[in-house]
Amino acid sequence: DIVMTQSPESLAVSLGERATINCKSSQSVLFDSNNKNYLAWYQQKPGHPPKLLIYWASIRESGVPDRFSGSGSGTDFTLTISSLQAEDVALYYCQQYHRTPLTFGGGTKVEIK
Amino acid sequence: QVQLVQSGTEVKKPGASVKVSCKASGYTFSSYSISWVRQAPGQGLEWMGWISGYNGNTNYAQKFQGRVTMTTDTSTNTANMELRSLRSDDTAVYYCARVGTYYFDSWGQGTLVTVSS
Repeated sequence: DIVMTQSPESLAVSLGERATINCKSSQSVLFDSNNKNYLAWYQQKPGHPPKLLIYWASIRESGVPDRFSGSGSGTDFTLTISSLQAEDVALYYCQQYHRTPLTFGGGTKVEIK
Repeated sequence: QVQLVQSGTEVKKPGASVKVSCKASGYTFSSYSISWVRQAPGQGLEWMGWISGYNGNTNYAQKFQGRVTMTTDTSTNTANMELRSLRSDDTAVYYCARVGTYYFDSWGQGTLVTVSS
């Protein structure tokens, strides 16, 4: 199974400041034939289901604010919130869909400092 | 708009079975697969498997092989997930999710399943 490791487990950022979440996979999730990274990011607020933010490592889902961006390739990925807003307080998960079983990172809790 | 509406809270005894349903609307059911993901209290997300809305083909996580059955009813655009031989560590919120190109682009509201004697 591909193990997804997120860091940090939690972070506190001031409003308007940048938040950076890292995700590392135990194997590459880059598919050579199409040069796509099979990596998604989700946001989950308490009592709600996850919400897709980013897919193919860097493509923002429709309706997601442009302060959210994804980057990275192979085994190392980053989700960046360029200017943290109060409504961004949530848990964030990365997920690989390169091969089954599909696996998620352990989550990163983002709070306001 | 895409909607996935799940059945309600369940309380089961150890050893029993539970069936959770997920009714889809707002898109062509047969064009997408439905995946099931669970989340134990205070824990992360765990993929259980998926089922094709087109032909009913399934792919289960090995952890659940032999204990889970996923089905679809194309006449009602509903996906179902049955989990058998329940244990206390199966207590979780169970989500259905529409599978885009392998990622999950829409989610149901979740169904809490509590396993307790």
